[in-house]
Amino acid sequence: DQQVKQNSPSLSVQEGRISILNCDYTNSMFDYFLWYKKYPAEGPTFLISISSIKDKNEDGRFTVFLNKSAKHLSLHIVPSQPGDSAVYFCAMKSSGNTPLVFGKGTRLSVIA
Amino acid sequence: DTEVTQTPKHLVMGMTNKKSLKCEQHMGHRAMYWYKQKAKKPPELMFVYSYEKLSINESVPSRFSPECPNSSLLNLHLHALQPEDSALYLCASSWPGTHNEQFFGPGTRLTVL
Repeated sequence: DQQVKQNSPSLSVQEGRISILNCDYTNSMFDYFLWYKKYPAEGPTFLISISSIKDKNEDGRFTVFLNKSAKHLSLHIVPSQPGDSAVYFCAMKSSGNTPLVFGKGTRLSVIA
Repeated sequence: DTEVTQTPKHLVMGMTNKKSLKCEQHMGHRAMYWYKQKAKKPPELMFVYSYEKLSINESVPSRFSPECPNSSLLNLHLHALQPEDSALYLCASSWPGTHNEQFFGPGTRLTVL
């Protein structure tokens, strides 16, 4: 059973507009949440994270939102740029030295 | 230095070969990870080392044998692999504990013939 779901396999956005990537989870023990960006044939690159004590974390053009009651995580990118085109994975873990659980990824295409 | 390096970048091997993948980090991280990623799928955890000790083995077949010679190095020894083991093998490192992001290497693209 998938604990972490990214229901949109792909998303197309115009340059300059907002990209919103979504992730839903079922395990209420998760308390640390991350977004990674991945280009083909490269390893995932860490983007931004949030712990369960917060509901928002911002870093430049990237903002992550956490709705614990809905078990929903989202990543906003604004303004979107063509270089943001990549696969975005959400990942999360529970406390301690526990493994990250990844979603299946959403392919974002930013069109100039 | 915020890099995780992996060698080789590409590897082609036969089913009877023995080869090793190498991973190195100099960030002082004390947790290191091996993941396997197939096309259009998320990374799947294989092994976790914490303070040079194997702490998680996700029921990986014995034809994959991890080794952590010191806190900076992680190896994955491969023997008698199957074609379905062809994938991108990713190494990552982090501080142990909850709120620590994992940094990934670029991966080794493995093809088993």
